Amino acid sequence: KNQVEQSPQSLIILEGKNCTLQCNYTVSPFSNLRWYKQDTGRGPVSLTIMTFSENTKSNGRYTATLDADTKQSSLHITASQLSDSASYICVVTANDYKLSFGAGTTVTVRA
Amino acid sequence: DGGITQSPKYLFRKEGQNVTLSCEQNLNHDAMYWYRQDPGQGLRLIYYSQIVNDFQKGDIAEGYSVSREKKESFPLTVTSAQKNPTAFYLCASSITQGTEAFFGQGTRLTVV
Repeated sequence: KNQVEQSPQSLIILEGKNCTLQCNYTVSPFSNLRWYKQDTGRGPVSLTIMTFSENTKSNGRYTATLDADTKQSSLHITASQLSDSASYICVVTANDYKLSFGAGTTVTVRA
Repeated sequence: DGGITQSPKYLFRKEGQNVTLSCEQNLNHDAMYWYRQDPGQGLRLIYYSQIVNDFQKGDIAEGYSVSREKKESFPLTVTSAQKNPTAFYLCASSITQGTEAFFGQGTRLTVV
């Protein structure tokens, strides 16, 4: 069973609207959690990183939250743009440096 | 420009052939990684290297081989023993193991 579960698998939103992606993990002991954006046919690019003590981290219109007690994270996209269409991957790093990847959420933004 | 470069972008392999995927980085990173990405699944680790002349098997190393003769280069060979090689392959590097990984643009391998 994957130690990082993301939901939904995919979603479609209208340009200008907001959306929230979820990431639940069971990785323990936990070091940090990153959200990556992956455009189709390209490599992932890091959006945010959060450690155990951080609750919120923003990068422009992207805001990530972390609840280390419930082992849940979310990525909120504000005022979506067509360029936000991509796959968003949650990656959890354990204390032994092993990375666990979620399967990703595919976001499609329509005009 | 600093970065990590994978080549080729697309690769076609006949049954029974070995093929080698290139990965080069000029970021002066010690650690390098190879991942495989399949639809609906998270990235899976094939091999990783923490330093030159050293590499370790990941979760799905069977049918693959690597070398790390230079700090900048970490080529991946997909051998004929890999029964289902069609996938998107991603190379990554980081300053050291556990720090932020920077990914290349990927190589899509297709068996024909």
